[in-house]
Amino acid sequence: DAGVTQSPTHLIKTRGQQVTLRCSPKSGHDTVSWYQQALGQGPQFIFQYYEEEERQRGNFPDRFSGHQFPNYSSELNVNALLLGDSALYLCASSFGGSGQPQHFGDGTRLSIL
Amino acid sequence: QKEVEQNSGPLSVPEGAIASLNCTYSDRGSQSFFWYRQYSGKSPELIMFIYSNGDKEDGRFTAQLNKASQYVSLLIRDSQPSDSATYLCAVTANNDMRFGAGTRLTVKP
Repeated sequence: DAGVTQSPTHLIKTRGQQVTLRCSPKSGHDTVSWYQQALGQGPQFIFQYYEEEERQRGNFPDRFSGHQFPNYSSELNVNALLLGDSALYLCASSFGGSGQPQHFGDGTRLSIL
Repeated sequence: QKEVEQNSGPLSVPEGAIASLNCTYSDRGSQSFFWYRQYSGKSPELIMFIYSNGDKEDGRFTAQLNKASQYVSLLIRDSQPSDSATYLCAVTANNDMRFGAGTRLTVKP
């Protein structure tokens, strides 16, 4: 039973570029949430997708956008990258409504030069 | 005021002891409460979740929730060196999950 898978594992970009990160949820899960985790901090909620719609959004600028596909997989896009966007980006999946346990992928480590 | 607060630690306990990790939250509308374990360089791993006031036990782990006091805790019995990690408290309300900054636990042999 495959867990949450994310790609790529690591990514290096320069300021101003754009990046797309990908996530496949755990089998049987239909909800995908994205988080940003800076070193020494807890994960910060970016947004959650359910039924191909953004259901809830955290306090992140519009440079952060996402998409969910009919097979429940998801993408996170970040435009106009800033040095401060360097972080571990985590995808988590769950089933159904709010408050269900979320299971995390291994994350994508994004470094901005 | 931070939405979810944890003592950053480090918390150090001897092997075999009980480790007690605490968390407070500010949103009284919070509905679901989670504890995750995160090893250095790894992603968070779900340990426990609790929805109702009281205690919930799973093996060596016990989660305790007191909604009136806006307090949730995690007890680890018979602590092992392999329990050494950062423990993240997470709280959900309105489809988003808010994390504390985590408590670093060290279990000494």
